Amino acid sequence: DAGITQSPRHKVTETGTPVTLRCHQTENHRYMYWYRQDPGHGLRLIHYSYGVKDTDKGEVSDGYSVSRSKTEDFLLTLESATSSQTSVYFCAISPGQGAGNIQYFGAGTRLSVL
Amino acid sequence: KNEVEQSPQNLTAQEGEFITINCSYSVGISALHWLQQHPGGGIVSLFMLSSGKKKHGRLIATINIQEKHSSLHITASHPRDSAVYICAVGNSNYQLIWGAGTKLIIKP
Repeated sequence: DAGITQSPRHKVTETGTPVTLRCHQTENHRYMYWYRQDPGHGLRLIHYSYGVKDTDKGEVSDGYSVSRSKTEDFLLTLESATSSQTSVYFCAISPGQGAGNIQYFGAGTRLSVL
Repeated sequence: KNEVEQSPQNLTAQEGEFITINCSYSVGISALHWLQQHPGGGIVSLFMLSSGKKKHGRLIATINIQEKHSSLHITASHPRDSAVYICAVGNSNYQLIWGAGTKLIIKP
């Protein structure tokens, strides 16, 4: 596996609570991504980062924020979790942007918002 | 209409059968990816291609740019090939657009 660690791997939380998911990489890749995966949908991009402190929104960014203070860490925060944010969250990294670069994925975080 | 469509959504076959999974897309692309997701969740890149054909072991991926279509073939399928196979294409905004996946089950 590429050196990508997601934590926690599983989390159960209550509606309205803040939640932070962490992605840690040891590959020194410039690009990092947060996706969510739901039944019947392809992976959907939440936010991505193209460098330290450089982030941008994806197609489903509402209700999520991110931060990248170090090359190796990309945090995803749900400010006030809702049941619609129950999902499996994947972090991915790549050396460059665009379709010409392979993305390497973490093992995923299963989040349940009750 | 989704920009990336995979077919079939689900496929069950017997061990040893030749498997074909299809991916059609409607956007202009620079490359197409095939990935595999095993039960338990891990997602692994299988192929990245922009023309022609690539082969790795029993897996073959082809792409027809004019027809905007790609296929993933598995020869001599085995129960360990059971997984979700995902197609993704790169659009003009340098993002990947993901298909919903094809769930493959190979029975012994």
